[in-house]
Amino acid sequence: GAVVSQHPSWVICKSGTSVKIECRSLDFQATTMFWYRQFPKQSLMLMATSNEGSKATYEQGVEKDKFLINHASLTLSTLTVTSAHPEDSSFYICSARGVQDGGNTIYFGEGSWLTVV
Amino acid sequence: AQKVTQAQTEISVVEKEDVTLDCVYETRDTTYYLFWYKQPPSGELVFLIRRNSFDEQNEISGRYSWNFQKSTSSFNFTITASQVVDSAVYFCALSGGSFGNEKLTFGTGTRLTIIP
Repeated sequence: GAVVSQHPSWVICKSGTSVKIECRSLDFQATTMFWYRQFPKQSLMLMATSNEGSKATYEQGVEKDKFLINHASLTLSTLTVTSAHPEDSSFYICSARGVQDGGNTIYFGEGSWLTVV
Repeated sequence: AQKVTQAQTEISVVEKEDVTLDCVYETRDTTYYLFWYKQPPSGELVFLIRRNSFDEQNEISGRYSWNFQKSTSSFNFTITASQVVDSAVYFCALSGGSFGNEKLTFGTGTRLTIIP
């Protein structure tokens, strides 16, 4: 089955630094990827929709200058948290829409735990 | 706007009991998809089921079954003969569009604890 991989799975960074999270579709082409954030014991909230080769569409309340999303290829999207602060500590998870099977299916990555100290 | 409500925040049952997780949704789309995901402590989302709005047949997969009632906008999930490995957070989600491959709106989740 289709696999979406995120890297890193865990990351700890210092306050004020930037951290990049990668989301890769391993065996299919993903024209669209979605980035979600989940605070502890809360639900998953969509941050942005990323289309290959174009600018991401951000949800209301999500700072586009803080959460930089790049989708330069059909198999890779990256989320960069710039000038991270402790309140950015969260679980970040991506999903990808596959071109195969008519684009009918969404596949989730394993998620990335970010801790900002 | 789309909305998914999981009124049960936490449920605890003794092993081998049956348990039903409730999900109520709101959408203005005529075509939409409903999902259930399991999230163990490690965090990854385990896909359980996807159901489109035109298919109201109930589905059974092993110990899992789903009851889709369009009239009440509910998509409930039942685990029969629960096991300790079923302990996790379960999310119900909704997606609009013709293929269910758009962004998902998640409920707040139900934390299920199976007591051995």
